Order: sequence, then C-alpha cells, then structure tokens
Amino acid sequence: NAGVTQTPKFQVLKTGQSMTLQCAQDMNHEYMSWYRQDPGMGLRLIHYSVGAGITDQGEVPNGYNVSRSTTEDFPLRLLSAAPSQTSVYFCASSSPGDNEQFFGPGTRLTVL
Amino acid sequence: RKEVEQDPGPFNVPEGATVAFNCTYSNSASQSFFWYRQDCRKEPKLLMSVYSSGNEDGRFTAQLNRASQYISLLIRDSKLSDSATYLCVGDTGGFKTIFGAGTRLFVKA
Repeated sequence: NAGVTQTPKFQVLKTGQSMTLQCAQDMNHEYMSWYRQDPGMGLRLIHYSVGAGITDQGEVPNGYNVSRSTTEDFPLRLLSAAPSQTSVYFCASSSPGDNEQFFGPGTRLTVL
Repeated sequence: RKEVEQDPGPFNVPEGATVAFNCTYSNSASQSFFWYRQDCRKEPKLLMSVYSSGNEDGRFTAQLNRASQYISLLIRDSKLSDSATYLCVGDTGGFKTIFGAGTRLFVKA
C-alpha cells in the first residue's frame, strides 16, 4: 500500500494564482482531512470529509475549497493564492473509531 | 490561550538520558489524547495514545492527568534516533482535533 500520497511536493505561486493540491489514499479510509502547519502554530484543520460527497469546514477554511467525489481522493483548491497561505500542507486519512490519523508527506507551498 | 500548549524547547539531552515533556490543554471536553512524532521536514506519525491509567511502550511512557488537564511523555534511555519534534494532540471528537505546536528534542552523542 502506498498509504497517503500528495502532489506536488513543492510549489511556488504568485499572488492571485489558483492551484489544486492533490491527495489520495489507498487504505479505504472514510475520513480525510487537510491541515496546514506553520512555525509555532501546530497543525490547523482546513477542511475535512467523513465520506464521499460529504465535506465540512475546519478551523481555517477561508481561501480554500475541497470536494470528495471518491473515497480515495480529496483535492484542496486554493482559489486566489495569498502570501498568508505560504505553509506546509498535510493531508491525512483515518477510519471511523480508529484514533490514528495517517498523514501524507506534505506539500510545501510558497506564495510570492 | 492556545487549546493545547507545549514547551517548544529545544530540549538538548545526552544519549542515555531520561527526558520528560508536558502538555496542557484547556478544553475539558477533550476525550482522547495522543503523542505524535514528527521528524524534520516529514509528516507526523502516531507515537502513542494516552490513557488516564498510563500507557507504556518500551522506553516511552505517556500519562494523562484530567484533574490538572495535562499530558506527559517520558522517554527513558534516550537514543540519537529519538531526535524529533513531539506533538501533543487533544481530540474532543467530531473532528475537533487540536495539535500542539510541538516540542523539539535533540539527543546528542
């Protein structure tokens, strides 16, 4: 199993550009989440999904959209990139009732 | 005040030392607690869950004190490979998972 995969690993955007961060998991997990990690802040939840077709906002959803058309994929879209969105983005998946979240390797995003 | 607070460190300890990290949480509704380990420029990985009765896994011991609202992690006989950032995590259920900012540990030969 590949576990949780994320692409790209690195990305540089200019202010105002849009892009999609990809996330996929092959563990048949129902739950998937997107976090951002900034120095001194810990991981903060952006959006999450409890199953295909169901998504909800986390702690810091502004400027991001998500969709969950399949169990495996959970892309994160930046609508109009801003320097404040410079961060490391982690996708995670888990099963209901299972405490452990499995994280992807992360995407390091810089917005100029 | 952050919901989960940790001493950011860094903790610099020699090999073989015992080191302890504490973490405090402010939301009394938090039900589950965990320690995750994160290596430099890598993703977090679950280290262990934390129970009121204490939880031991080899050289690692985790403890939860609900009355004082803190969680601890004790590492005995530190190894060079223990060098990492340790994240304290509280979960109130329903995707209300709060990560602490992490405590950095450097174990030196």
